[in-house]
Amino acid sequence: AQKVTQAQTEISVVEKEDVTLDCVYETRDTTYYLFWYKQPPSGELVFLIRRNSFDEQNEISGRYSWNFQKSTSSFNFTITASQVVDSAVYFCALSEVYGQNFVFGPGTRLSVLP
Amino acid sequence: NAGVMQNPRHLVRRRGQEARLRCSPMKGHSHVYWYRQLPEEGLKFMVYLQKENIIDESGMPKERFSAEFPKEGPSILRIQQVVRGDSAAYFCASSPGLAGIDTQYFGPGTRLTVL
Repeated sequence: AQKVTQAQTEISVVEKEDVTLDCVYETRDTTYYLFWYKQPPSGELVFLIRRNSFDEQNEISGRYSWNFQKSTSSFNFTITASQVVDSAVYFCALSEVYGQNFVFGPGTRLSVLP
Repeated sequence: NAGVMQNPRHLVRRRGQEARLRCSPMKGHSHVYWYRQLPEEGLKFMVYLQKENIIDESGMPKERFSAEFPKEGPSILRIQQVVRGDSAAYFCASSPGLAGIDTQYFGPGTRLTVL
């Protein structure tokens, strides 16, 4: 069965610090997709990234970077030089190619203090 | 290209009333999903629909909840005889193809409060 774990419930950092949000997943499939979504205080869900299981290359997008390691079943998310606007709940999610839906982790609440 | 639309954004019902939540997928998307987010929790899958078909309703409570996605018009999530425990944010997502392959894009959610 699919499962996504985000062990960090809440993280607080001071502006300009780097922060890494952990995501560990479980699946029996060899082909699957991993996602990160951001939920700011306004409540909507913002898509950040999608990564398939065959592509372990790390990705960088501005201040955001993702580290995918199949050996440890992890898909961690790092924000460099955090800003107050990064304050949100971040969800990691997993979908299997022949699955019908996403399985979301419980989320990590990030607070960036000025 | 408008995103996923949900209405109403906020809905207040008294116990025993019915709640109807609407979702219009992104243009070109024929797959719709409903998720529920209880306060301080992650999202839980409820149901996956394509036009006129329920594909997977394994996450839907067996009683009082139903969903449809008619040939014309939005997808509807219907909750009959609401109880306080139904208070939550209900998110709709859509994708152009299969859930396992395509990214799901989420609507802004409907926040249901049951008094």
